[in-house]
Amino acid sequence: DAKTTQPNSMESNEEEPVHLPCNHSTISGTDYIHWYRQLPSQGPEYVIHGLTSNVNNRMASLAIAEDRKSSTLILHRATLRDAAVYYCILRFHGGATNKLIFGTGTLLAVQP
Amino acid sequence: DAGVIQSPRHEVTEMGQEVTLRCKPISGHNSLFWYRQTMMRGLELLIYFNNNVPIDDSGMPEDRFSAKMPNASFSTLKIQPSEPRDSAVYFCASSRRSAFSYEQYFGPGTRLTVT
Repeated sequence: DAKTTQPNSMESNEEEPVHLPCNHSTISGTDYIHWYRQLPSQGPEYVIHGLTSNVNNRMASLAIAEDRKSSTLILHRATLRDAAVYYCILRFHGGATNKLIFGTGTLLAVQP
Repeated sequence: DAGVIQSPRHEVTEMGQEVTLRCKPISGHNSLFWYRQTMMRGLELLIYFNNNVPIDDSGMPEDRFSAKMPNASFSTLKIQPSEPRDSAVYFCASSRRSAFSYEQYFGPGTRLTVT
C-alpha cells in the first residue's frame, strides 16, 4: 500500500482556518485520498475523500495537488470540537478489497 | 439508525481468560472490520469480512485471536487465552461496499484491560 506522511501535530486558534497537509509521493492512479478523524475517546469518523479534483462537503474541503503527490484538508473555521487526530489514507477503489490502513495522523489542537 | 453497536464497552479480565467482543454492524452494510488501537502501534486492521466471509485476516496477531461473522448482523472477536499485551481499544466498523460508497462507520469501541 502506498504510504502517506503527515506532521505529528498542529495548532490552530478557534474560528480560524486550518490547513492539514499530507504527502503521498508514491500514490498510484487508482488510489483515492481519504481523510478520517478521531475525536478523543471515540472511533474514527469519515471526513472526505477525492481522486483528482478538489472536493467540498459540510465538514471540510480537500485540495489535491495537480500531480496528486500531496493534498490538504481544509477546515474553514476551526472550533474546539475539531480537536482530533486527522488521518490521511490512500485507498484503492474497486476489486475485492476495501480496507483502510491508518498511519499515525496529525493531532490537531484548537486553542480558544 | 443506531450506528455500529459494540459490547461490552469496557472489559477487565485476568490473564488466561477467554474474552469475547461483540459487534452489530449498521443494517444493510455488507463489509465489517475489526481494528485494534494502542498507543504504541496506533490503529491496526485485524480482519475484515465481505458478505459474512473473511477476506483478509493478515492483521490477526496470532492463533489466540479468532473472529466470526455468522450472519449479516453480528460478529465476534475472541481472544483465548488473553494476555496483558492484548490490552487495547478494539473497534468494529462497517461499510456498504459499492462503487459509490466506501465510508467506514466505526463503533464506540471496547476498552479491554487484561491484568
